[in-house]
Amino acid sequence: ETGVTQTPRHLVMGMTNKKSLKCEQHLGHNAMYWYKQSAKKPLELMFVYSLEERVENNSVPSRFSPECPNSSHLFLHLHTLQPEDSALYLCASSQVEGPYGYTFGSGTRLTVV
Amino acid sequence: SQKIEQNSEALNIQEGKTATLTCNYTNYSPAYLQWYRQDPGRGPVFLLLIRENEKEKRKERLKVTFDTTLKQSLFHITASQPADSATYLCALGGGTGGFKTIFGAGTRLFVKA
Repeated sequence: ETGVTQTPRHLVMGMTNKKSLKCEQHLGHNAMYWYKQSAKKPLELMFVYSLEERVENNSVPSRFSPECPNSSHLFLHLHTLQPEDSALYLCASSQVEGPYGYTFGSGTRLTVV
Repeated sequence: SQKIEQNSEALNIQEGKTATLTCNYTNYSPAYLQWYRQDPGRGPVFLLLIRENEKEKRKERLKVTFDTTLKQSLFHITASQPADSATYLCALGGGTGGFKTIFGAGTRLFVKA
């Protein structure tokens, strides 16, 4: 365990479903991130929360909706996804005052059918 | 747009040799550069961070160089072992990219016994 826990590890959902990905860290970090990783492609930054405020929304479609209720928890709510949204979704955390490396979770492998 | 290039071809080396991975970037003046290791089905693990005013940094068998004139970083693993086999990601942050950290697609390293 890295200190960043993501659930579920695997998720298969239909295009009309609604689901949520959860990320939890108890490292005392004050910034949290969602990244998407598709095969053979670089990690794509989706959302950044710094001190519980969203500071970056990287042109992500509205079918992805983040939520950061406190500095330890981050959610990614999913609805009406497309098959091309199938990927590994990674959560990371860090200290805002840095620079420091990111601590990543193990990811959620999402398959949209 | 900002771009990071890592050799997409896998690097195969013999155990005990030094592995050298390259990261080139364009349209970016980062404040720091990071290297991560990623194993299949897992999240990246932070290895080293080097700032723009540092030429070289070492950690155990790892060495990173950062040439802001060439816009290039080299990542060396000395006395490589089969357990070093993984994908290695380069990431840039700060500077003209602001709060974002952007990642390269990674280079796969295979170390043969």
